[in-house]
Amino acid sequence: GIQVEQSPPDLILQEGANSTLRCNFSDSVNNLQWFHQNPWGQLINLFYIPSGTKQNGRLSATTVATERYSLLYISSSQTTDSGVYFCAARGADQGNTNAGKSTFGDGTTLTVKP
Amino acid sequence: GAVVSQHPSRVICKSGTSVKIECRSLDFQATTMFWYRQFPKQSLMLMATSNEGSKATYEQGVEKDKFLINHASLTLSTLTVTSAHPEDSSFYICSAPSWGRGNEKLFFGSGTQLSVL
Repeated sequence: GIQVEQSPPDLILQEGANSTLRCNFSDSVNNLQWFHQNPWGQLINLFYIPSGTKQNGRLSATTVATERYSLLYISSSQTTDSGVYFCAARGADQGNTNAGKSTFGDGTTLTVKP
Repeated sequence: GAVVSQHPSRVICKSGTSVKIECRSLDFQATTMFWYRQFPKQSLMLMATSNEGSKATYEQGVEKDKFLINHASLTLSTLTVTSAHPEDSSFYICSAPSWGRGNEKLFFGSGTQLSVL
């Protein structure tokens, strides 16, 4: 099955700094999503982005499908951005449904200090 | 976005008892839901796919008799941990896919922290 690798595993920032999180995947994908898990365990869907670029406030994401990676950008980070960021990818050979069977990366743990 | 509700958020039980966790899609219908297990500082591990009106499909290595899944309606899936033991202690999370503009996005419940004494 598809392999998903995230980097860096840990990231510590000062409030106001910018950061880039990376997600590499081993095969073509038809579904790629980024999630934020807050310190209480809740996962929030940030982006659905199997290709292209999207922006939502201080966050943006770019997926270069042909090179098999996705980037999540966080600008002007805030303490509330702390938590674990996961990307999850579903291989193009797995059909067009059941995104829940996507493979999750190990996550990037982000700590934003005041 | 779509809302998924999961209860209880935390449960402490004695070894040998059974625990039921509920997952509801509040503002959309979900013929499929997913159950995950997460250990501290680790990623999500898919346990099973819950299918409305039919049997759940379990991932390799997950005991179907230990983790009973029922998906009785289009908005409710339940996970019952039967005869729980301390090694079943973990964070359990459910998710449901919601379609919009041809995109299948996942939405998650808030998770259930199970502690078996």
